[in-house]
Amino acid sequence: GQNIDQPTEMTATEGAIVQINCTYQTSGFNGLFWYQQHAGEAPTFLSYNVLDGLEEKGRFSSFLSRSKGYSYLLLKELQMKDSASYLCAGMDSNYQLIWGAGTKLIIKP
Amino acid sequence: IAGITQAPTSQILAAGRRMTLRCTQDMRHNAMYWYRQDLGLGLRLIHYSNTAGTTGKGEVPDGYSVSRANTDDFPLTLASAVPSQTSVYFCASSGAPGANVLTFGAGSRLTVL
Repeated sequence: GQNIDQPTEMTATEGAIVQINCTYQTSGFNGLFWYQQHAGEAPTFLSYNVLDGLEEKGRFSSFLSRSKGYSYLLLKELQMKDSASYLCAGMDSNYQLIWGAGTKLIIKP
Repeated sequence: IAGITQAPTSQILAAGRRMTLRCTQDMRHNAMYWYRQDLGLGLRLIHYSNTAGTTGKGEVPDGYSVSRANTDDFPLTLASAVPSQTSVYFCASSGAPGANVLTFGAGSRLTVL
């Protein structure tokens, strides 16, 4: 079956670094996505990885290892506004997205 | 402002009633999707449309129907609502099927009593 696993909740301190892990099992693979979703709002696109390695975009970076079925989202210099849920999604061979339940990130001052 | 508009924002509905959630996009995207989001679960695809005039079933299509008469509109209909359809519903679109970025609407919170 197809499955996306990510931690339910994480807590971090303002100004620190946090890594949110995601493991995936999909039928075929056409990329791994990260979306951010603030409470009561729509998900918004953060990053897309289809090749192994690290993609850096400002304070956010995303890493992919296809051989391990593993990705992480790295958030640096955490700000209070980063408090949100982070959704990991894998795209299968039919270009359908399989979504994880999301990781709720709580930032403390 | 380009994007996706969903209506209503929130609705309380008696079981057995018919309900249509509206979704309109102005980005001329070909592909559109309806998801439901429930606590503790990932987004689940209900129905999708790769282009105007075509629709397909997603992971959880039972009890829902869609139509795609034109590029911009993609309404979701619950023919006879049941309490298990209480959820937050998100409409999304992408430039092409399988394109790597989805744009989501703000969501419609539906409660079925």
